Amino acid sequence: DTAVSQTPKYLVTQMGNDKSIKCEQNLGHDTMYWYKQDSKKFLKIMFSYNNKELIINETVPNRFSPKSPDKAHLNLHINSLELGDSAVYFCASSQDGSQVTDTQYFGPGTRLTVL
Amino acid sequence: GQNIDQPTEMTATEGAIVQINCTYQTSGFNGLFWYQQHAGEAPTFLSYNVLDGLEEKGRFSSFLSRSKGYSYLLLKELQMKDSASYLCAVLDSNYQLIWGAGTKLIIKP
Repeated sequence: DTAVSQTPKYLVTQMGNDKSIKCEQNLGHDTMYWYKQDSKKFLKIMFSYNNKELIINETVPNRFSPKSPDKAHLNLHINSLELGDSAVYFCASSQDGSQVTDTQYFGPGTRLTVL
Repeated sequence: GQNIDQPTEMTATEGAIVQINCTYQTSGFNGLFWYQQHAGEAPTFLSYNVLDGLEEKGRFSSFLSRSKGYSYLLLKELQMKDSASYLCAVLDSNYQLIWGAGTKLIIKP
């Protein structure tokens, strides 16, 4: 069974479009995250949610917005896509974001290409 | 600023031992993680160190020296499937995970 799943795995779209990436975890974890991995392989955290509360919001453009309908889901909406948004986006979850030793479990990633 | 340094790429031979180093300068320290990432896949957890010393887990071991801001991941009896990127990440004083760029490990027969 997949612990953290993301859809779609690949997303190719035009500049200016609006798109969403979905993430679901079946681990019963309390905290979920979105990361962006750029072409240099740096992983940068974008958002984390704990029990529907946004607890980390890095300096990402407000074109990016996380939406969490329930504890098991954290979707990423991106408006007015730009070329620089092309990257691999990873969703992750951990048991309890306040427990610093908690391992984060990652989804398979979504490769976004903006043309 | 916060900085995590790892070699960009390393090459080793199947059956051998390789050590991947990681040095960090962060605002506070609450532990260091090592993750493995195969090409096109998500990172997977390997180890977590918060106290100085060596943690052994099968073929993989991780070492930490907090005073030196230094860690290494030791891989023994290398197998072809160990070819991957190895990511070092540090939990800073705000409990945010700061990632290094990763070390690409190439295993040759």
